[in-house]
Amino acid sequence: ETGVTQTPRHLVMGMTNKKSLKCEQHLGHNAMYWYKQSAKKPLELMFVYSLEERVENNSVPSRFSPECPNSSHLFLHLHTLQPEDSALYLCASSQDPRARGLEQYFGPGTRLTVT
Amino acid sequence: GDSVTQMEGPVTLSEEAFLTINCTYTATGYPSLFWYVQYPGEGLQLLLKATKADDKGSNKGFEATYRKETTSFHLEKGSVQVSDSAVYFCALSGGSQGNLIFGKGTKLSVKP
Repeated sequence: ETGVTQTPRHLVMGMTNKKSLKCEQHLGHNAMYWYKQSAKKPLELMFVYSLEERVENNSVPSRFSPECPNSSHLFLHLHTLQPEDSALYLCASSQDPRARGLEQYFGPGTRLTVT
Repeated sequence: GDSVTQMEGPVTLSEEAFLTINCTYTATGYPSLFWYVQYPGEGLQLLLKATKADDKGSNKGFEATYRKETTSFHLEKGSVQVSDSAVYFCALSGGSQGNLIFGKGTKLSVKP
């Protein structure tokens, strides 16, 4: 595997379910990000991890819970979601979040549908 | 705070037409600027970037020049192909934690 991978690619869950999204980066980067992409809205940053420590959570509802066990893996744990949480969830990584000008590399996303 | 504004789409062009997608930004300091492309069913891919004023980023026939005086970073291509159909995002490196700030995206459809 190369780049940034995400699983599953598609997920349908009920509002009472608990599920997790997984992201893995094979680039040796130090920072990982979760973004939410909804129709007609800009990408919304949800969480940033730098060297496995959370540095930003952007007032995301507690029904979204991130976990970063090491610099290569990032999870997003989901529970009691709402239909408006249906979106494409994108994971990204970068070499050093504090070095401006560095691009981020994105995974293919998980298309989440909450029923 | 920092922000990016790009032209609303969708943009529909015929093959070999000239493409311009406008992007303007508001930022404190001197951000880097990016164009990302998202093909159907995929994540975002970096298309090109520029890190300082008057820099020109280019890739796959696409170009954009960092214009500080007009706070713009317009994307251009001289002759589009059907395979260029995608959503294009302008972004800047303005986030407080190194994250990118994105525009809403512009959908481009190229007809044969």
